[in-house]
Amino acid sequence: QGQLQESGPGLVRPSQTLSLSCTVSGGSITGGNYYWSWLRQPAEKGLEWIGRVHTSGSTKYNPSLKSRVTISIDTSTNQFSLNLNSVTAADTAVYYCARGTLVYNSDWFPLDYWGQGILVTVSS
Amino acid sequence: DIVMTQSPLYLPVTPGEPASISCRSSQSLLRRNGYNFLDWYLQKPGQSPQLLMYLGSNRASGVPDRFSGSGSGTDFTLKISRVEAEDVGVYYCMQGLQTPYTFGQGTKLEIK
Repeated sequence: QGQLQESGPGLVRPSQTLSLSCTVSGGSITGGNYYWSWLRQPAEKGLEWIGRVHTSGSTKYNPSLKSRVTISIDTSTNQFSLNLNSVTAADTAVYYCARGTLVYNSDWFPLDYWGQGILVTVSS
Repeated sequence: DIVMTQSPLYLPVTPGEPASISCRSSQSLLRRNGYNFLDWYLQKPGQSPQLLMYLGSNRASGVPDRFSGSGSGTDFTLKISRVEAEDVGVYYCMQGLQTPYTFGQGTKLEIK
């Protein structure tokens, strides 16, 4: 079964770019009809969906972050990545990567595998 | 954005007793294909969220049959027939009808 692991710096300076990678193991990142998503969760708060990339490379982003976020897929490394620029303290959160798998005949991709999460703190 | 509202936000339950969580959406999650684009996730303490139910009423792989999901349109319910100690955590509903996907505030289930 698939496993996901986030990696990247745990501390980012304000106004800089937050860059995270999610390594997919146990199968090819393009080995099925998947959406690969990034989500985040500030301390003691709820979940926010950031955006997704399909195995085809097409993307969708949360409009609240759209101007600052880029999600891409790298088939050579079996990873997908998140770049969030111009960060502020409000971007401090645990960041999760997750896989959405197509449910047959439904056009829906529930998030069936999640990484363990990585805490990113924005501070000078 | 679609607003998801859960109740209650805190749910203390005696082991062996049933539990129920409500989730309401600001617009119908029922698509023309007949599916409700509503999932339930459980975030156990110190863990990442895990999928419990998808498309309203389908249990994810490995989820015990004491969990059930129901509802359609804008009103949904997650039920646990007999709560066990391992069920503690925060339960979230999430809509997938349109991006951005949005979550409810979460319902924290604790054992009495």
